[in-house]
Amino acid sequence: DAGVIQSPRHEVTEMGQEVTLRCKPISGHNSLFWYRQTMMRGLELLIYFNNNVPIDDSGMPEDRFSAKMPNASFSTLKIQPSEPRDSAVYFCASSPRTSGRVQTQYFGPGTRLLVL
Amino acid sequence: DQQVKQNSPSLSVQEGRISILNCDYTNSMFDYFLWYKKYPAEGPTFLISISSIKDKNEDGRFTVFLNKSAKHLSLHIVPSQPGDSAVYFCAASVNFGNEKLTFGTGTRLTIIP
Repeated sequence: DAGVIQSPRHEVTEMGQEVTLRCKPISGHNSLFWYRQTMMRGLELLIYFNNNVPIDDSGMPEDRFSAKMPNASFSTLKIQPSEPRDSAVYFCASSPRTSGRVQTQYFGPGTRLLVL
Repeated sequence: DQQVKQNSPSLSVQEGRISILNCDYTNSMFDYFLWYKKYPAEGPTFLISISSIKDKNEDGRFTVFLNKSAKHLSLHIVPSQPGDSAVYFCAASVNFGNEKLTFGTGTRLTIIP
């Protein structure tokens, strides 16, 4: 079992550039979550999908952030334009949603983003 | 507004002793609570959970206690081992009809050999 796969693992970019983070969930899982980790705020949920449909994007900080899930095995989180305050570790997680109950979420290794 | 708070950013405990990590929450709608453990350069992994219908859940060396009236939960690790050194996140959710987890800021636990 490969687990949740994220790429790239590290990204350094300059302010104003577009950044795209990628995620492949665990096969068979039908819920996918994007989180951001910072020292001040811990793990914040940005958006989550169920069966490729965005369910809750209330955590997306602003219009510069967008996320897509074109199929069950792939999702992207895009930041355009990026700013230094976006520097953080971004995690993707997936879970086998059943009956709308909370299920264990399985996290990828994260993408460490640094915006200069 | 942090609905889940872990007020101790770090904790050091001697190997073999008990580690107690604390978590407070403000949203009275939360009825399901989880602890996740995170090693450096890895994603968090699920450790243990508890539903609000219980006040204690035990799994090996790990026990979670829930005090609903105080809106407080704690994770006890007995005995503490060097491999327990990690960041521990508390999370909360409304169990039914909602998959959304609200996480705290984490507590870094260091076990001293």
